[in-house]
Amino acid sequence: DIQMTQSPSSLSASVGDRVTITCRASQSISTFLNWYQQKPGKAPKLLIYGASSLQSGVPSRFSGSGSGTDFTLAISSLQPEDFATYYCQQSYSTPITFGQGTRLEIK
Amino acid sequence: QVQLQESGPGLVKPSETLSLNCTVSGGSISSYFWTWIRQPPGEGLEWIGHVYYTGRTDYTPSLERRVTISADMSKNEFSLNLNSMTAADTAVYYCARGFHGMRGWSYDLWGRGTLVTVSS
Repeated sequence: DIQMTQSPSSLSASVGDRVTITCRASQSISTFLNWYQQKPGKAPKLLIYGASSLQSGVPSRFSGSGSGTDFTLAISSLQPEDFATYYCQQSYSTPITFGQGTRLEIK
Repeated sequence: QVQLQESGPGLVKPSETLSLNCTVSGGSISSYFWTWIRQPPGEGLEWIGHVYYTGRTDYTPSLERRVTISADMSKNEFSLNLNSMTAADTAVYYCARGFHGMRGWSYDLWGRGTLVTVSS
């Protein structure tokens, strides 16, 4: 199985800040990497696919980058609705695996 | 628009079998990889497996001996059976639509999730 490791596990930031979350794969996965946002009591929502492609309807303040084993999700100018937990997911091979999540909290 | 809705028991006894259904409305299941993902309370996401409309299935190795995912084209639904349930299987179970393309598998549509508790 491909192991996915996110950092940090939690993050405090203020509205208007720029934040980055990193995800590392245990082996090269090219750009087969997705990012999801999950709010309490809700299902995850696909934000980014293919490491850097924005899913339809997702605000442009979200961006993704990286390839191989190291990836980054960036949120420029945090909005109140962005405080949530974020997960990376490798889409390279089954079994599909997720990172452990990064909880983004309001400072 | 396409919607997914999970249904099944909220409480299962230890050693029993969990059976969940996911009804797909507003679209056909004759495409995509129909997927089950679970999330223990306060924890992260675990991919359980998926079924393609052709009947092809893939499962996560840790659950492979206990799990069956199948699709019923006539009912436009797919299901999860997980036997020998233990407390460690307590989780919110999500059904999701998996798209497999040039960038691998992504999950763009999810059900609301259903909490399954294993307890006697």
